[in-house]
This record gives sequence, structure tokens and C-alpha cells, in this order.
Amino acid sequence: TQLLEQSPQFLSIQEGENLTVYCNSSSVFSSLQWYRQEPGEGPVLLVTVVTGGEVKKLKRLTFQFGDARKDSSLHITAAQPGDTGLYLCAGDNNFNKFYFGSGTKLNVKP
Amino acid sequence: DARVTQTPRDKVTEMGQEVTMRCQPILGHNTVFWYRQTMMQGLELLAYFRNRAPLDDSGMPKDRFSAEMPDATLATLKIQPSEPRDSAVYFCASGPLGAKGGYTFGSGTRLTVV
Repeated sequence: TQLLEQSPQFLSIQEGENLTVYCNSSSVFSSLQWYRQEPGEGPVLLVTVVTGGEVKKLKRLTFQFGDARKDSSLHITAAQPGDTGLYLCAGDNNFNKFYFGSGTKLNVKP
Repeated sequence: DARVTQTPRDKVTEMGQEVTMRCQPILGHNTVFWYRQTMMQGLELLAYFRNRAPLDDSGMPKDRFSAEMPDATLATLKIQPSEPRDSAVYFCASGPLGAKGGYTFGSGTRLTVV
């Protein structure tokens, strides 16, 4: 069983469209991270959110941590083919041990 | 850029053989994780070290897997004997203590057991 559930599992969109990926849990996390993974490589950290309700922006990416620190979302504006990859959320259970979600595989078509 | 180095990159072995995967964490990082990634299960935490001491290896099948950090520059994950169901990509990640800034992953070892 996954501590963190991500949705959707797969997303295929056209360049220029907006999208939102969700990461949900019944557990409270002291922090939550988002990673992007490309084929043949390890996950690369995008952002860490720590405070409930926190919003962080990274260029066209907007990350939000839920008020209760159980869920998070990643919104991408005007998606580009370079955004293609597997997006993973990971929650810290307060022992600096990170559990990963199931992942959302994003394909942005030119 | 500092990076986590994993060797080998790819390993094909026969069922029953011993497999050792190696990881060189980033210098100064005192927290090291081993994860396994498969299509079905995603990224699963296998073991977790802090200051070279194993803190948690509850995610690892104990009868065949073992993880060690013989020194601060080397972490190893060993499977003996290997089985086809062990086929996966194994990742090592390292970070400083309380790494709210996140951990750095290696490029992984793709293991195929035939």
C-alpha cells in the first residue's frame, strides 16, 4: 500500500495547456517534496514544502501544501515538451524518512 | 556539481548469484538511502543510514538482502542469492542531516536477474 496516492497516473497533453497533479494521503507529513524523473536517471528534486498552506513557485510550476499537511498539488502553466517526465511526490514522516507516491507520468506533445 | 555515484550502471546475472551494488554519496552527506523502483511498486524504501549506522532496514527482505556502509564514502547493497523478482532499478540517495532541501539521487543500477 502506498502512503501517498498520486493522480492522475498518466497525463498526455498538448504544448501550451495547463495541468494539475495531485498527491494525497491520510497521514500528516512534516514536509513534502516534489521530484521529476527522466528515463534512465534518478529523481531530481524540484521543491520542498514545509508549512501547511504554503505555496511555492518555480517559473511555470506552482506547488501547494495542504493546510493539514496531508496533501499537495503541482500546477504547470503552459506546459512544454521539456516538462515531460515522471513527477513524484515524497512525504517525510518526521523521521527524515521519505515515502514516495506512485507517480504521474506526463507527456507533453509539441 | 556534486553527485551521487552508483556502480554498476547495469547488471545482468543468473538466478542464485550474488549481486553487490555500490554507492558513493556526496562528500559531507551523512544520510544515505537505498530505494528500489519497479513499474508495479514504484519507489520503495529499502534501507536508511545516518552517520553510517543503519537506522531502518525494515523495507528489505532480510533473508537475502544486506546493506552496509563500511566507510563514509561507500554504501553497499548486496543480494545473495538473487531471484528474478529482484529485477528492478536500485537507487541510492544522500543528503545532509535533516535535509528539508531534499536528497540527491544517483542514476541507479538496473538489475536483471534471469
